[in-house]
Amino acid sequence: DAGITQSPRYKITETGRQVTLMCHQTWSHSYMFWYRQDLGHGLRLIYYSAAADITDKGEVPDGYVVSRSKTENFPLTLESATRSQTSVYFCASSESYRETQYFGPGTRLLVL
Amino acid sequence: AQKVTQAQTEISVVEKEDVTLDCVYETRDTTYYLFWYKQPPSGELVFLIRRNSFDEQNEISGRYSWNFQKSTSSFNFTITASQVVDSAVYFCALSDSGAGSYQLTFGKGTKLSVIP
Repeated sequence: DAGITQSPRYKITETGRQVTLMCHQTWSHSYMFWYRQDLGHGLRLIYYSAAADITDKGEVPDGYVVSRSKTENFPLTLESATRSQTSVYFCASSESYRETQYFGPGTRLLVL
Repeated sequence: AQKVTQAQTEISVVEKEDVTLDCVYETRDTTYYLFWYKQPPSGELVFLIRRNSFDEQNEISGRYSWNFQKSTSSFNFTITASQVVDSAVYFCALSDSGAGSYQLTFGKGTKLSVIP
């Protein structure tokens, strides 16, 4: 049982490039989430999705785009990467909005 | 607005000592959920416990125990007889309807170092 996976695990890119981070879960969870983790800020919600084709903004959505055409996938795109988007990105999923969120292993992104 | 405060940024203990990690939360909801996650040096986030606001019973799981007190809005986590493998960053988190969707609000974490 793979659970929730993220790819790539590590990524180096340059300012202005488009980057897509992938998230895949095998539990058929309805809810999926993207967080970023930065020193001094903890984890902050970027976007979340309650079901396929339903997404909404979190605390820090600027500069990011998400889509969810299939229940199991929730890609996060940085349309034009900036240095301030250097961070560790975590994807999570849960059965419903009341249930525990389970996290993927994270993607370390460095924007030069 | 919902808020989670973990006042202890870093704690160091010697192996076999007991240690308590504090968590204080703020919410206007009567229905909410509290969580603890562990982030070991390898970086993944590991779920430890979930508690709903209607269940104030303390919980024990092996060397781990949690004390939930609504009167003081606290959800503290105690590790008994700490071990080196307990070294990690521990996050307390709150889920309520304040943002309209039961999103998780995290504290900034407490880094626990257990010294052999």
